[in-house]
Amino acid sequence: DVKVTQSSRYLVKRTGEKVFLECVQDMDHENMFWYRQDPGLGLRLIYFSYDVKMKEKGDIPEGYSVSREKKERFSLILESASTNQTSMYLCASSLRQGAGAGTEAFFGQGTRLTVV
Amino acid sequence: SQQGEEDPQALSIQEGENATMNCSYKTSINNLQWYRQNSGRGLVHLILIRSNEREKHSGRLRVTLDTSKKSSSLLITASRAADTASYFCANLNQAGTALIFGKGTTLSVSS
Repeated sequence: DVKVTQSSRYLVKRTGEKVFLECVQDMDHENMFWYRQDPGLGLRLIYFSYDVKMKEKGDIPEGYSVSREKKERFSLILESASTNQTSMYLCASSLRQGAGAGTEAFFGQGTRLTVV
Repeated sequence: SQQGEEDPQALSIQEGENATMNCSYKTSINNLQWYRQNSGRGLVHLILIRSNEREKHSGRLRVTLDTSKKSSSLLITASRAADTASYFCANLNQAGTALIFGKGTTLSVSS
């Protein structure tokens, strides 16, 4: 069974802390994504990666960075957490989408981060 | 923003009724996907419809696509309480590199 695992379901951090959100997939997928989800705003893409050590900015990368040292692991880093980063964070993976291909994304269970 | 929109934002129905959700998108597409999210959980893929298809079925799900109007609809027939969830449409961004999602429709099915 395909699986995307996020390291924490719930996380509480203090303002200014450096926060790591980890995501691991066991499907040998090339693509991995980080989204945040907020009420009324839906899912917004933060960063994605289509290969090891490669990363691309999504729609809202400010305040975040990512790391992909191994194919199966994609980490989201909040360099200095702020209260406006309180949100649900969702990791996803997919096969590389060639032209006209379009493959489904598999999601982790989400990490609800609260910054106080 | 390339983000699409679902309509309505919220829908409440009785068990056994049909539920219809609509999605409008902004970019040209190769395919459009629908996902479901149970409360506080990750998203699960439901169905994918390609741009050269007009209608697709999967169990109690029926998806239509109108590329001229840049819109799609998801119909759930004979709804059950277990269908209570949020439903999202998604399509590739213009660069073709990542899925972008609409804001979702929250469906509540009461028994």
